[in-house]
Amino acid sequence: GAVVSQHPSRVICKSGTSVKIECRSLDFQATTMFWYRQFPKKSLMLMATSNEGSKATYEQGVEKDKFLINHASLTLSTLTVTSAHPEDSSFYICSASGGGYYEQYFGPGTRLTVT
Amino acid sequence: AQRVTQPEKLLSVFKGAPVELKCNYSYSGSPELFWYVQYSRQRLQLLLRHISRESIKGFTADLNKGETSFHLKKPFAQEEDSAMYYCALRDGEGDNAGNNRKLIWGLGTSLGVNP
Repeated sequence: GAVVSQHPSRVICKSGTSVKIECRSLDFQATTMFWYRQFPKKSLMLMATSNEGSKATYEQGVEKDKFLINHASLTLSTLTVTSAHPEDSSFYICSASGGGYYEQYFGPGTRLTVT
Repeated sequence: AQRVTQPEKLLSVFKGAPVELKCNYSYSGSPELFWYVQYSRQRLQLLLRHISRESIKGFTADLNKGETSFHLKKPFAQEEDSAMYYCALRDGEGDNAGNNRKLIWGLGTSLGVNP
């Protein structure tokens, strides 16, 4: 149990375009999903916490208009990187908790490259 | 301020040697601490949590409130233990079920076990 998927696994987009990343809990209802960036030296940065049906809570320094998060159902949250720039290139990871699962369960990550 | 410190970015040991990955925390209340592991090309996964007092893959971690530490230990390291290890502290804020309580992360320690 507690499987989280992400799609796509990797994406390349051009500067100025937007890209959407999906995070799904496959076998449980995730009341909360978290979005992270993982940097080249592997440090993790929490970007935002999203609860189903309500607005996401962004961490300090994360632009909510740039990183749009939607958590419209108990099994799906999306992160949209708007007007992407090369510095947005990173590894984005989601995690989910809820539905009887107290810990966070992680997706496999999405490698975003902005050219 | 709530904080998790992993003082070692890199740790290298030989197979069969004992290993200790250090984690110190700063938290005003009663802490909930976790160790997560990320093997090469795999997703983050929970290794163990202090409330379970369990041993997973030969690893143990004891919460020492006096020293505010939660060091991860294994008496005999194996090559397959080579991975990135993160210590995390559950934040106190959240709903009654605790589902949306974010994790405060250390920067991680990369463990390499040499043959």
